[in-house]
Amino acid sequence: QMQLQESGPGLVKPSETLSLRCSVSGASITRGTYYWGWIRRPPGKGLEWIGSLYYNGNTFYNPSLESRVTMSVDTAKNQFSLRLTSMSASDTGVYYCVKHGSETTGACFNHWGHGTLVTVSS
Amino acid sequence: SYELTQPPSVSVSPGQTARITCSGDALPNQYAYWYQQKPGQAPMLIIYKDTERPSGVPERLSASSSGATATLTISGVQTEDEADYFCQSADSDGTPAFGGGTRLTVL
Repeated sequence: QMQLQESGPGLVKPSETLSLRCSVSGASITRGTYYWGWIRRPPGKGLEWIGSLYYNGNTFYNPSLESRVTMSVDTAKNQFSLRLTSMSASDTGVYYCVKHGSETTGACFNHWGHGTLVTVSS
Repeated sequence: SYELTQPPSVSVSPGQTARITCSGDALPNQYAYWYQQKPGQAPMLIIYKDTERPSGVPERLSASSSGATATLTISGVQTEDEADYFCQSADSDGTPAFGGGTRLTVL
């Protein structure tokens, strides 16, 4: 059974860069025609899609975050990563890594990690 | 950016039917998806491609889509259905977007 697990710092200082990693088990990120992505939920707010990438490195990002986001993939480790620069308090929230799409369910987020809380504070 | 509009909250008594709407200009041409999120848990996909239920999702959760509005219906609401519900779709370029979410309260 596929599992996704986020890892990274829980606390980031303002203006610094957030780096998160997602480890995928139970499936190879190089198989299939789907993407892998990141979604976040700030406290008291809704879900926000950050971006998605394909195993060959193709990426697409939320236009509102595109200037600060970089996603990458490590196929040897079956992992993908998120970098978000110039962090501010408004970036505080739970960050989820997700599987984006499948032949059956279409362009939705059908597998989720448990999420990791990221707090931006000095 | 593309917007999907949901009511912030819906309240029903146990056994009643809850309906949560999601409106968006691109919905006539894009599928709607629905997620349920309970406190402390990750969101879970409950509806895909407008009306389809993943295995394990109770039949009392159903959905439809007509024109620019998608609707999630929960029949015979139970206390365990109390959660936040999010619709998701995409704009004309395929960029994903979420609705603001609806908190379902079971009175």
